[in-house]
Amino acid sequence: DADVTQTPRNRITKTGKRIMLECSQTKGHDRMYWYRQDPGLGLRLIYYSFDVKDINKGEISDGYSVSRQAQAKFSLSLESAIPNQTALYFCATSDKRAGGAETQYFGPGTRLLVL
Amino acid sequence: AQSVTQPDIHITVSEGASLELRCNYSYGATPYLFWYVQSPGQGLQLLLKYFSGDTLVQGIKGFEAEFKRSQSSFNLRKPSVHWSDAAEYFCAVGARSNDYKLSFGAGTTVTVRA
Repeated sequence: DADVTQTPRNRITKTGKRIMLECSQTKGHDRMYWYRQDPGLGLRLIYYSFDVKDINKGEISDGYSVSRQAQAKFSLSLESAIPNQTALYFCATSDKRAGGAETQYFGPGTRLLVL
Repeated sequence: AQSVTQPDIHITVSEGASLELRCNYSYGATPYLFWYVQSPGQGLQLLLKYFSGDTLVQGIKGFEAEFKRSQSSFNLRKPSVHWSDAAEYFCAVGARSNDYKLSFGAGTTVTVRA
């Protein structure tokens, strides 16, 4: 969905490096999410944020941190990257005004390789 | 806890043939159910969703899915597959009691042969 953008689209880094993945949205949604996708495992939730001051851990938050700089921006950081964090990372947004019938809209993904 | 199982890792179908992708969920109350498609190199696109009401749901690209509470299933179907339907398909479940967070299945890869 063009309304949700992720930068960079591809990144190669080395073990121990700090890296930040960024997500921006123009949909006006208050809720934002970070997932990682691994072959055979589907998508797993890393962190989610229901508004700027509400950030929550997902099922696999260890080794990651996030920052919600504004309603439209949600960044994911790997403080010290390790090879098993090699994955495809997706940002998603949803609108709580949908009253529960929320659809998540996904960005194009960031492919990260940690050497 | 909610969970989703997609029993088929990979399905190969001939162009013009019908397609059915299986999805079983585990959740006590009425779930919110979704099917997403991921084309190669792309993000996820919503095909259809079920929240309540009619158990047969129509989606985009000619897809439909049927919610069967008794079988805890939400199978995706298409009567006649096109080569452009080759992609990975994900079933997901959410619930109000879990802040509407989604749990995804492992995905089913569909290959379309000429």
